[in-house]
Amino acid sequence: GAGVSQSPSNKVTEKGKDVELRCDPISGHTALYWYRQSLGQGLEFLIYFQGNSAPDKSGLPSDRFSAERTGGSVSTLTIQRTQQEDSAVYLCASSLGTGTYNEQFFGPGTRLTVL
Amino acid sequence: SQKIEQNSEALNIQEGKTATLTCNYTNYSPAYLQWYRQDPGRGPVFLLLIRENEKEKRKERLKVTFDTTLKQSLFHITASQPADSATYLCALPPGNTGKLIFGQGTTLQVKP
Repeated sequence: GAGVSQSPSNKVTEKGKDVELRCDPISGHTALYWYRQSLGQGLEFLIYFQGNSAPDKSGLPSDRFSAERTGGSVSTLTIQRTQQEDSAVYLCASSLGTGTYNEQFFGPGTRLTVL
Repeated sequence: SQKIEQNSEALNIQEGKTATLTCNYTNYSPAYLQWYRQDPGRGPVFLLLIRENEKEKRKERLKVTFDTTLKQSLFHITASQPADSATYLCALPPGNTGKLIFGQGTTLQVKP
């Protein structure tokens, strides 16, 4: 079956521009997570969704970052007025639910480069 | 403060040997701990989950232990192969939401 997909796979933008990153979770997965991974670092939690609501946005680095999820499926992470420190790989994951013991299935990530 | 620590130095071992990776955590009381594998340019892939009331879990050549007193998990790969070369991440839930906090990962290199 289809796994988690993300688009674009690579995005190069200029400082100050807005970018949108897209995540298509596995069908039937109600929970969706966004992480950020800088070079050589672990994953940094950004936000998660249960259905269309986002109970935990605590990881969003600033108010330039926002995310939404529609129809309990596709999610978009938007970064406004990008800065060079936003350069990283943005990973999306989905799981059957947010209950305990649920493994997360990750997409391939979007590599964002801010010039 | 809350921390998850994995050895940031790469682990180099010879094919056929057992690789042991460590995950230590501070100021968490996780109900479980997960291990993921990440290859360059790809997203992490789930390997194993171990619950707080389990001391040990096995899956083929993989073994994970979980010591809630020491606040440590060990991840073992027996009879290692060059194909096991990757970065291994431990992750734990800070609460009951399914959100995971990841360690920075340890890179394993298995030489033929």
